[in-house]
Amino acid sequence: DSGVTQTPKHLITATGQRVTLRCSPRSGDLSVYWYQQSLDQGLQFLIQYYNGEERAKGNILERFSAQQFPDLHSELNLSSLELGDSALYFCASSAAVEQFFGPGTRLTVL
Amino acid sequence: DAKTTQPNSMESNEEEPVHLPCNHSTISGTDYIHWYRQLPSQGPEYVIHGLTSNVNNRMASLAIAEDRKSSTLILHRATLRDAAVYYCILRVYGGSQGNLIFGKGTKLSVKP
Repeated sequence: DSGVTQTPKHLITATGQRVTLRCSPRSGDLSVYWYQQSLDQGLQFLIQYYNGEERAKGNILERFSAQQFPDLHSELNLSSLELGDSALYFCASSAAVEQFFGPGTRLTVL
Repeated sequence: DAKTTQPNSMESNEEEPVHLPCNHSTISGTDYIHWYRQLPSQGPEYVIHGLTSNVNNRMASLAIAEDRKSSTLILHRATLRDAAVYYCILRVYGGSQGNLIFGKGTKLSVKP
């Protein structure tokens, strides 16, 4: 158990819809990262937050957005969903060197 | 970001040592070498990292070539639980960047 929790575990929705994925980092970790894992693209970094502020951006689509709240939990919002957005979404948290990954949210867009 | 090259797959027998190679010929002086692994149906987990010297921890050892253009992750006695995809990642410290750039990794199979 990494100490990072993600909800929900599974999410099934339709094209065009909007969903919110939630991540609770390990206690005390200020950095939160979001990654997407799909069969064709592998594991890709989406975005990083540090203590409530956006710190780095990767291959995140404009239809996706994220935020980190004062209690340090983070949410990833995915809108206008397309079939290609079906993937595993991982959240990771970090205090220093090591990143601790959550169990992921499996998103299926039908 | 500097790129790493790893074999697509490797096989090992249980309780034997495993040497997982990684080439990173364009590594810069500020790049740390990190290894993560992803067990089936789980998120990645940190294994080990180093800069220049060889490193050991409870999970593995990391051997870094003198010119730093390659490294090897060593699992001293493979168990069935070590079957996973192993990722070799270069990561720069300092500044605001901390994200991991994952390649395709090496899929390790462990035979009983």
